[in-house]
Amino acid sequence: GQQLNQSPQSMFIQEGEDVSMNCTSSSIFNTWLWYKQDPGEGPVLLIALYKAGELTSNGRLTAQFGITRKDSFLNISASIPSDVGIYFCAGLTSGTYKYIFGTGTRLKVLA
Amino acid sequence: EAGVTQFPSHSVIEKGQTVTLRCDPISGHDNLYWYRRVMGKEIKFLLHFVKESKQDESGMPNNRFLAERTGGTYSTLKVQPAELEDSGVYFCASSGSSFYSPLHFGNGTRLTVT
Repeated sequence: GQQLNQSPQSMFIQEGEDVSMNCTSSSIFNTWLWYKQDPGEGPVLLIALYKAGELTSNGRLTAQFGITRKDSFLNISASIPSDVGIYFCAGLTSGTYKYIFGTGTRLKVLA
Repeated sequence: EAGVTQFPSHSVIEKGQTVTLRCDPISGHDNLYWYRRVMGKEIKFLLHFVKESKQDESGMPNNRFLAERTGGTYSTLKVQPAELEDSGVYFCASSGSSFYSPLHFGNGTRLTVT
């Protein structure tokens, strides 16, 4: 079945550093979503991407929909302690409403 | 607007018992999904309702899992009888009918089968 390979699996960074994570697949997706999950809560939508090549920002977060439609990346600039959590990518293929999720990137920020 | 709510937040049951999870989607959202995450793995699709109809149940592990959405509002997911490998966090999500309507998740139900 379809799979999303998300990397890195985990990251430890210093406060103030920039972070980059990505999702790749052998399948083509029409939509990419990026979510963040805090402990004990459900994933919360950060950024939605609907067009190949699209670059979208949400505050310190920037995400891009890869031109091949098989990948996406998320950048966080000037990380702060509250950025700690698990970040998930999710993709949606044409003709389906079934979002496929990656395994998550666990981010820890050291003050 | 109220978000997606799930009940209970935690459930600990013994192998062989039955558990029913409930999800109340965002009002007006026709699409309702169940997902499951086992520690360290991906958030895995279980099934998708459009209103009261099952659109896609390809992710349901086996016939011990039964999902319903009577009246197209709230949904229940019953596991009977529960097995150890059913442990995990069960998420419910809903979305509107527009292509640009993304998934909104509840806080999940953490199920532990002992």
